[in-house]
Amino acid sequence: EAGVAQSPRYKIIEKRQSVAFWCNPISGHATLYWYQQILGQGPKLLIQFQNNGVVDDSQLPKDRFSAERLKGVDSTLKIQPAKLEDSAVYLCASSLAGFEQYFGPGTRLTVT
Amino acid sequence: GQQLNQSPQSMFIQEGEDVSMNCTSSSIFNTWLWYKQDPGEGPVLLIALYKAGELTSNGRLTAQFGITRKDSFLNISASIPSDVGIYFCAGQLGGNKLVFGAGTILRVKS
Repeated sequence: EAGVAQSPRYKIIEKRQSVAFWCNPISGHATLYWYQQILGQGPKLLIQFQNNGVVDDSQLPKDRFSAERLKGVDSTLKIQPAKLEDSAVYLCASSLAGFEQYFGPGTRLTVT
Repeated sequence: GQQLNQSPQSMFIQEGEDVSMNCTSSSIFNTWLWYKQDPGEGPVLLIALYKAGELTSNGRLTAQFGITRKDSFLNISASIPSDVGIYFCAGQLGGNKLVFGAGTILRVKS
């Protein structure tokens, strides 16, 4: 069974630029999550989708971050414009019944 | 918001030794999960605990869901070099939301 796929794996941009990350969850997993992991910390939930609907986006900085999951499968997370403090690893995870989340390899973003 | 306190923050042990780490919170959780993260990779699920008092093993790993539902423990027996990494505990609230600890960095001296 293929795992959670993410791309790109690495991205370097200048502040005020925009960037997008893509995630394809494990086949059949209805729930998809985006996390932000700052160096030295545990992952922090940004947004949770159930199929193509948003369940929880309470910690998403909506003035600059947006995410969509139009067909209930893959998802895109966008940052526009990026700030220096957005430098982090962005992790995508998916789950079948909600209890056990499986993570992708992440995208390491560096904002200069 | 909810916070999980993981300890120790890091440990450097001899190959073959047993390892213990724990996670505590002021909040009650429905589920406890333990993940391991290698450099440049995403967290990998090791063990999931669903009931207070539950003790679950996965090979050399054993984890327990505390009776108060506010803590969990992870033990690794006979550590080997590939056990190196960062171990995260995560508590699950309603709505399947996970809250992560800051991690325990494990280094093994061969």
